[in-house]
Amino acid sequence: AQKVTQAQTEISVVEKEDVTLDCVYETRDTTYYLFWYKQPPSGELVFLIRRNSFDEQNEISGRYSWNFQKSTSSFNFTITASQVVDSAVYFCALSEAVGGSGNTGKLIFGQGTTLQVKP
Amino acid sequence: SAVISQKPSRDICQRGTSLTIQCQVDSQVTMMFWYRQQPGQSLTLIATANQGSEATYESGFVIDKFPISRPNLTFSTLTVSNMSPEDSSIYLCSYFDRLNYGYTFGSGTRLTVV
Repeated sequence: AQKVTQAQTEISVVEKEDVTLDCVYETRDTTYYLFWYKQPPSGELVFLIRRNSFDEQNEISGRYSWNFQKSTSSFNFTITASQVVDSAVYFCALSEAVGGSGNTGKLIFGQGTTLQVKP
Repeated sequence: SAVISQKPSRDICQRGTSLTIQCQVDSQVTMMFWYRQQPGQSLTLIATANQGSEATYESGFVIDKFPISRPNLTFSTLTVSNMSPEDSSIYLCSYFDRLNYGYTFGSGTRLTVV
């Protein structure tokens, strides 16, 4: 069965600090996709990144970077030089490939990490 | 990606009543999903809705409580029936984009049951 674990419930940092949000996943499929979403206080879900299981390259987008390690089933997210606007709940999510083994492509979310960035 | 519109954005309802939430996508999509997010919690999948077939419900969710319709490839509704305060949550619809292998979410319906 699929499972996503975000062990950090809440993180509080001071502006300009770097912060890493951890994500560990479980799946029996060899083809799967990992996602990160941001949910600001307004409630909408903002897509940040998608990674497929065959692409272990790390990715950087501005102050955001992601580290995908299949060996440890982890997909961690780092914010460099955090800002107050980064304050939000961040969700890691997993989807198994559609079609194979009857997978419907549903997205399974971790419990989320609430990040508070203080000025 | 197609645009997905969800309404109502919020509602306050009396216990024992029902509320129907609508999601409209501006292009045809095969799979749509309905999620519930209880206060301070993560998103939990309620059901998967494919056009032309009955919705597939996740463990803990039943059709009598959360009936879903999917009359065509651009529209779906979720009804929260016989509501109680425990149903107070944000409900989100989503669709799966095969071309981009991504998920687009509606803006959510914030439901309060009093």
